[in-house]
Amino acid sequence: RKEVEQDPGPFNVPEGATVAFNCTYSNSASQSFFWYRQDCRKEPKLLMSVYSSGNEDGRFTAQLNRASQYISLLIRDSKLSDSATYLCVVEGYGGATNKLIFGTGTLLAVQP
Amino acid sequence: DARVTQTPRHKVTEMGQEVTMRCQPILGHNTVFWYRQTMMQGLELLAYFRNRAPLDDSGMPKDRFSAEMPDATLATLKIQPSEPRDSAVYFCAIPTGESYGYTFGSGTRLTVV
Repeated sequence: RKEVEQDPGPFNVPEGATVAFNCTYSNSASQSFFWYRQDCRKEPKLLMSVYSSGNEDGRFTAQLNRASQYISLLIRDSKLSDSATYLCVVEGYGGATNKLIFGTGTLLAVQP
Repeated sequence: DARVTQTPRHKVTEMGQEVTMRCQPILGHNTVFWYRQTMMQGLELLAYFRNRAPLDDSGMPKDRFSAEMPDATLATLKIQPSEPRDSAVYFCAIPTGESYGYTFGSGTRLTVV
């Protein structure tokens, strides 16, 4: 079982739609959680951190459910420019190490 | 702003050749991560350094891969000999601060033929 699992999609949605991505993680000791965005042939870039209380940044809302080990990302009023791969990321701990573990990503295609 | 520079951006090489990829944190950084991305596996952690010492290289094939960080402004990943299955995009990344994730370089797209 992968440490971080995501639905690979693709999600094809019309402009203006609301779309939600889900992610589960296996290590209950994980402390930090993120959503990254990756455009085609580009590097991943931090979209937002995810906090237990949930957090919102404009049209984007991230939620964390520690009990279910579940993370979500909601995009409202989607734009063409939101088309990208969205990566769920968990910071793993092991002894003195902490490292980011990436899901394989969910591809979003926003259609005009 | 490019906090991390990676070179080369693209590399095509023949099987068996040595490949060296470079990662240069612009302002110098003692912690550097190397990731490999393929369509099938996604982003996999190969190795990382803290205080320029290798802390975890369990994701790296030891027989052909090696990683070094001679100083805070340069990290290298070497493959010798390269094989077609090494074809991937190799990213390095540095932490951006507590709970703020990492900043990635633009990657080296490696093709081994």
